[in-house]
Amino acid sequence: GDSVTQMEGPVTLSEEAFLTINCTYTATGYPSLFWYVQYPGEGLQLLLKATKADDKGSNKGFEATYRKETTSFHLEKGSVQVSDSAVYFCALSSNTGGFKTIFGAGTRLFVKA
Amino acid sequence: NAGVTQTPKFQVLKTGQSMTLQCAQDMNHNSMYWYRQDPGMGLRLIYYSASEGTTDKGEVPNGYNVSRLNKREFSLRLESAAPSQTSVYFCASSYLSTDQAEAFFGQGTRLTVV
Repeated sequence: GDSVTQMEGPVTLSEEAFLTINCTYTATGYPSLFWYVQYPGEGLQLLLKATKADDKGSNKGFEATYRKETTSFHLEKGSVQVSDSAVYFCALSSNTGGFKTIFGAGTRLFVKA
Repeated sequence: NAGVTQTPKFQVLKTGQSMTLQCAQDMNHNSMYWYRQDPGMGLRLIYYSASEGTTDKGEVPNGYNVSRLNKREFSLRLESAAPSQTSVYFCASSYLSTDQAEAFFGQGTRLTVV
């Protein structure tokens, strides 16, 4: 079945460092890909998305490119801030075998001042 | 817009008790979902409803039942709670079409079974 694998955390960075969180997926068909962010005590909220190969999603300085050839959707940010500390989830949405959204395990990011 | 509303926010149950988690969305979404979130395991799909009148099992359905009461509401029932069901539960909703498949989440229900 469909699945999402993302790098284990926690990831600890200093402010202004470069961030990469790796995400790869397995899916039949052509899923949409997402990054969600969860701040402490809150539900998940959409950070960015890409709906087809080579699309780049971007928001709040974060970017991710839908790479069909490597089945990847890595999250990057050039300069992280303390306020970016959160848990980041990679996800795919597919209508194969029933429409549903599948999430990775999440990667916790700590940014130090 | 309220978005996705879950009740209650917190609940403590004794082993063997039953309860229903309520979820409602006001975005006219077709699909609704129940996930549980456990440390180190991310979000796991319990049940989902692709459209009004249909429900399907997700990855971890055992011990749970769901009801899609109407297009707005999707409830999750624990018939006989067990300590293994201690978790944070999230309800979510989305449009059916792939291009608009962004999921909107409620604030979560923190459930403890003792």
